[in-house]
This record gives sequence, structure tokens and C-alpha cells, in this order.
Amino acid sequence: GDSVTQMEGPVTLSEEAFLTINCTYTATGYPSLFWYVQYPGEGLQLLLKATKADDKGSNKGFEATYRKETTSFHLEKGSVQVSDSAVYFCALTTDSWGKLQFGAGTQVVVTP
Amino acid sequence: NAGVTQTPKFQVLKTGQSMTLQCAQDMNHEYMSWYRQDPGMGLRLIHYSVGAGITDQGEVPNGYNVSRSTTEDFPLRLLSAAPSQTSVYFCASHGLQGRSGNTIYFGEGSWLTVV
Repeated sequence: GDSVTQMEGPVTLSEEAFLTINCTYTATGYPSLFWYVQYPGEGLQLLLKATKADDKGSNKGFEATYRKETTSFHLEKGSVQVSDSAVYFCALTTDSWGKLQFGAGTQVVVTP
Repeated sequence: NAGVTQTPKFQVLKTGQSMTLQCAQDMNHEYMSWYRQDPGMGLRLIHYSVGAGITDQGEVPNGYNVSRSTTEDFPLRLLSAAPSQTSVYFCASHGLQGRSGNTIYFGEGSWLTVV
């Protein structure tokens, strides 16, 4: 079946550091890929998405590129802020109604 | 501009009790679903619905029932609560073409503890 593997956290960074969170997947067919973010005490929000190979999703300074050859969708941000502290989930869907398969989530802690 | 509304936000149950988590959306979305979030496991799909009167099981359906009598509402019922059902529950909805990347909207979550 489909699956998503994310790097384990927590990831602790200083403000203005570079962030990368690795995400790889296995899927039948051609998935759409997503990054969701969960701030403390809140629900999930879509951060960015990519629907085909070589697409780059971007939002709020975060970027991720759909790499079909390496089955990866790594999340990056060049300069993190304390407000980026959250749990980040990589997810995919391969069916037409959008049923999501999530990774385990990576907690990111940014310190001043 | 309510989006997806879940109630209650927090609930403590005793083992064996039953309860219903409510979910409502005001965006006229066809698709609704329930996920549970457990540490180190991400979110796992419990049940989903592709329209009023149509429901199906997800990855972890045991111990839960759902129904979809209207487009707007998708309640999740715990029939006889067990400590293993202690979790955070999220309701989600979206319109057609979810695979194409149309935004899937999540509620704010319901924190359930079974003692």
C-alpha cells in the first residue's frame, strides 16, 4: 500500500537557521503530494502542494519539489522564525476523492 | 466563514461509555472524513463519506460508526469507549478533485481521553 516516511523529530533550530525535513514515499500510480502544518493546539493547515513530477510548491517561505526519480518531497526553508515552531506532516493521495496517507509528523522547535 | 466545525474540543469518557463527535461544514463539500492522530503515527483514516447516504471504512474503523444523512454533517460515534481510543480526532472535508490538490479543510480537532 501507499506510505510516507518522514525524518523523526524533534528538530531543534536557532532562529534564522536553514530547515530541511526529509519526506519519501511509496505509492501506486501518480500521487499528489502535500505538506501540512499543525501549530500547537490547532488543527492541520495545508502549507503547500505539488500534483505532478518536478512541480515546486511554495508558501510562507517554505518550498518542496516533487522528485519522482527519488520519490521524495523534502520541505525546506531558508531562514526559520520562532513562529515556525510546529509539527509538519508530509502526505500523499492517489485517488480521485483525496483520501490522504500521512507521514508520522516532524516536530520543529525554533529557539530565539 | 466557519469552514469545518468540530465539537466538543475536549472530552473525558469512562471505559464503556458511548459518545458522538460532531462535525459540520458549510462549504457544500461532497467529501468528508474522520482521522485520528496518535504520537509517532501521523493521522490515520477512520471512516469517510463521498456524499450524503454513502460511507465507507478507512484504515482503523473498528469501534467507530458514522452516518451521513446530510451534506453538511458527518458525526463519528464511539459505541463503547476503550482506552485505546484516547486520541485527537480530526474531521476533514473537500470538494471534488481532491487528488488534483483542491484544498482539504480540517477542523480544529477533538481531544478525547478514555479512562
